[in-house]
Amino acid sequence: DAGVTQSPTHLIKTRGQHVTLRCSPISGHKSVSWYQQVLGQGPQFIFQYYEKEERGRGNFPDRFSARQFPNYSSELNVNALLLGDSALYLCASSLVSGDTEAFFGQGTRLTVV
Amino acid sequence: QKEVEQDPGPLSVPEGAIVSLNCTYSNSAFQYFMWYRQYSRKGPELLMYTYSSGNKEDGRFTAQVDKSSKYISLFIRDSQPSDSATYLCAAGPPRGSNYKLTFGKGTLLTVNP
Repeated sequence: DAGVTQSPTHLIKTRGQHVTLRCSPISGHKSVSWYQQVLGQGPQFIFQYYEKEERGRGNFPDRFSARQFPNYSSELNVNALLLGDSALYLCASSLVSGDTEAFFGQGTRLTVV
Repeated sequence: QKEVEQDPGPLSVPEGAIVSLNCTYSNSAFQYFMWYRQYSRKGPELLMYTYSSGNKEDGRFTAQVDKSSKYISLFIRDSQPSDSATYLCAAGPPRGSNYKLTFGKGTLLTVNP
């Protein structure tokens, strides 16, 4: 069985640009969460989506947005990139909202120059 | 004060040693406690989770939670070089609420052959 897949794996963008990161959850999982992990820190919660609805939002600016599609895949969008947005962006998949067993993808490493 | 505090280490032990990893938390609403293992440049992998206080054992790994002291522990018996990774503790609120995981910074563990 395929695990959580994220694309792309690496990305380099320039300050001020826009980026879209993609996530496909484990088959049968309906909840997707996004986390940002800065080097040397633990992951920080950005969004949770369940059944295509936003169920939770972390303390991130409005430049960050996300959505979930009917097939439960998800996109994370970041506008007006800043140097500080450089991080590993992780997608976590779980069966339902609030499920304690959340499985992470390998992440997308975003570098903003 | 961060909601979940974890000593980042690094921690270096000889092969076969018993490893003790610890976290403290401040939010009394946390009900679920997890340990993730993260290899370099990979996504976190769920090792085990516990609900409320108590112990849980899985092979060489034992997780302990003491809610009275807000203390979370992971013990690794007979440690192996393949256990070398960053270990992240995480805590979550009751199911059904705005569910997000709050992570510690992670402890970098090296097991030397």
